[in-house]
Amino acid sequence: EPEVTQTPSHQVTQMGQEVILRCVPISNHLYFYWYRQILGQKVEFLVSFYNNEISEKSEIFDDQFSVERPDGSNFTLKIRSTKLEDSAMYFCASSDRETFFGQGTRLTVV
Amino acid sequence: AQSVTQLGSHVSVSEGALVLLRCNYSSSVPPYLFWYVQYPNQGLQLLLKYTTGATLVKGINGFEAEFKKSETSFHLTKPSAHMSDAAEYFCAVSDRRTGNQFYFGTGTSLTVIP
Repeated sequence: EPEVTQTPSHQVTQMGQEVILRCVPISNHLYFYWYRQILGQKVEFLVSFYNNEISEKSEIFDDQFSVERPDGSNFTLKIRSTKLEDSAMYFCASSDRETFFGQGTRLTVV
Repeated sequence: AQSVTQLGSHVSVSEGALVLLRCNYSSSVPPYLFWYVQYPNQGLQLLLKYTTGATLVKGINGFEAEFKKSETSFHLTKPSAHMSDAAEYFCAVSDRRTGNQFYFGTGTSLTVIP
């Protein structure tokens, strides 16, 4: 069965550092997403990406966040200057007619 | 706009008892509806989904859910709880536009008592 792959599974970073979360979507999918789940809370939409540009973004997705599809296979989420409150599980998803979620990257900002 | 309400952030059932997790949605268009399960420190696993057709949908691990348009509900049930069902359950909705985002409920933590 096709799957969305996220790396790393767990990342620890110091406050103020830049972090890049990586995702390999399913190969024939055209829509890509990032979601965030702060510990104990619901999963929240961050951004969707289609045709090499952002199609929708939430209020959470401010200027410190950016997304990129650098090489036609990877889909990355960059957080420029991490804050303690960025600690969360980050899920990547991709879709064609059906949406598939990755297993998540747990980001811990210390 | 879509939204999801999951009544009961924590549900406890005895092993072998009926599991009922409630989900109500709000949507301005006919929705797609989903239930996901999340085990501790793991990702989201799709349990089942409703898109079109039969309103009673069956998923993995013996779970099923019924789409009731008149009640705007999509409650998740399982006739007999198993210890391995203990997890966090999320209801989600999206509209039918290709590439549209998901809206998740706040989740229900299911505890199974031996």
